[in-house]
Amino acid sequence: DAMVIQNPRYQVTQFGKPVTLSCSQTLNHNVMYWYQQKSSQAPKLLFHYYDKDFNNEADTPDNFQSRRPNTSFCFLDIRSPGLGDAAMYLCATSRDTRSYEQYFGPGTRLTVT
Amino acid sequence: GDSVTQMEGPVTLSEEAFLTINCTYTATGYPSLFWYVQYPGEGLQLLLKATKADDKGSNKGFEATYRKETTSFHLEKGSVQVSDSAVYFCALSPNTNAGKSTFGDGTTLTVKP
Repeated sequence: DAMVIQNPRYQVTQFGKPVTLSCSQTLNHNVMYWYQQKSSQAPKLLFHYYDKDFNNEADTPDNFQSRRPNTSFCFLDIRSPGLGDAAMYLCATSRDTRSYEQYFGPGTRLTVT
Repeated sequence: GDSVTQMEGPVTLSEEAFLTINCTYTATGYPSLFWYVQYPGEGLQLLLKATKADDKGSNKGFEATYRKETTSFHLEKGSVQVSDSAVYFCALSPNTNAGKSTFGDGTTLTVKP
């Protein structure tokens, strides 16, 4: 009964080679988030979708893009990964942006060689 | 802006010891407060939550009380187990539409047998 699914769990890519991470949810939540997390630090919000409305964080590099083709799926595209982009990428969902808890997927560990 | 401050870690305890992880917050209005737990190699999981002042969240022997007068939400457990070893994140979610969750830096707990 997995609720937030991320694929793949581990991804290895080469420096500068585009990579796409995927997330799907069975909760029918309005909001989907993408976070970057390094070394068990606090997750850093990259962007979120409220339904089809895209909300980018001011300090998210242009190298990171996202797509949400429907309610269930959301993708994170890294156009030209650098060594500094190696991290755990977490997808989360929430019923709304205010006052509600978030449901996290298991994460995708990205390695850049 | 909103902020969450957690006690610095790491924290190392013996099995059956009492646990307290301090969390204080700064926010406008009346946010909801959460504790999330992250086990190695996994995403964050909601541990407990409180949505208004004086609410007590509890789950799996963990408790935290929303104290508006001290802007705190300290996590406690009376008797920790080895399986409680994880990283614990305090977080808040504002009750405004423009809000996004704010996470503390996390506290790593290691419980030794």
